Amino acid sequence: DTGVSQDPRHKITKRGQNVTFRCDPISEHNRLYWYRQTLGQGPEFLTYFQNEAQLEKSRLLSDRFSAERPKGSFSTLEIQRTEQGDSAMYLCASSLEIPSHGWANVLTFGAGSRLTVL
Amino acid sequence: QQQVKQSPQSLIVQKGGISIINCAYENTAFDYFPWYQQFPGKGPALLIAIRPDVSEKKEGRFTISFNKSAKQFSLHIMDSQPGDSATYFCAANPATGNQFYFGTGTSLTVIP
Repeated sequence: DTGVSQDPRHKITKRGQNVTFRCDPISEHNRLYWYRQTLGQGPEFLTYFQNEAQLEKSRLLSDRFSAERPKGSFSTLEIQRTEQGDSAMYLCASSLEIPSHGWANVLTFGAGSRLTVL
Repeated sequence: QQQVKQSPQSLIVQKGGISIINCAYENTAFDYFPWYQQFPGKGPALLIAIRPDVSEKKEGRFTISFNKSAKQFSLHIMDSQPGDSATYFCAANPATGNQFYFGTGTSLTVIP
């Protein structure tokens, strides 16, 4: 297993265009998260899936954003009608509860997809 | 509203020195406190984590000190090395939720 994979790594688009990011989590992880990270800031939670069910969504996730996880495997994050303020690194993470961490939810992040909106 | 406040924003340490990064929180529902290390162009990677039932956890050169009454926790990097130069994020997760709250990050530079 090569960890959490994200594609594309970089995307440059013009304002108003739609973009889609894909995340392939670690295969045995049933939980999947999307976070957004802007320069000089920590990751901000966007949404969370357990298997194929989207269980939590942040207020940051406007109606231009939609995430799916069909069949509980890979996930996609689509941004419609992109705005310059959407420029950020979009991080995907998957997780598993680990006994050695007191059954805490341990996140494994991908390398991220960097979006630049011109 | 920043749920987890982290300081300093940047830190420069000589090789062999001790790096200390501090975080504070308000939400007493948090019960898991991980630290993540991030190198440029990479996603954050879990470094070390602690539950509030212990006051200290050590893994190699990395130690978390946890003060439950003060709602503060800190990362200590002993014998800091140039390879430790990275951005460090503290985070917190509530027992009944799946949303992790991250600090704003500390950029650590270890000078040879």
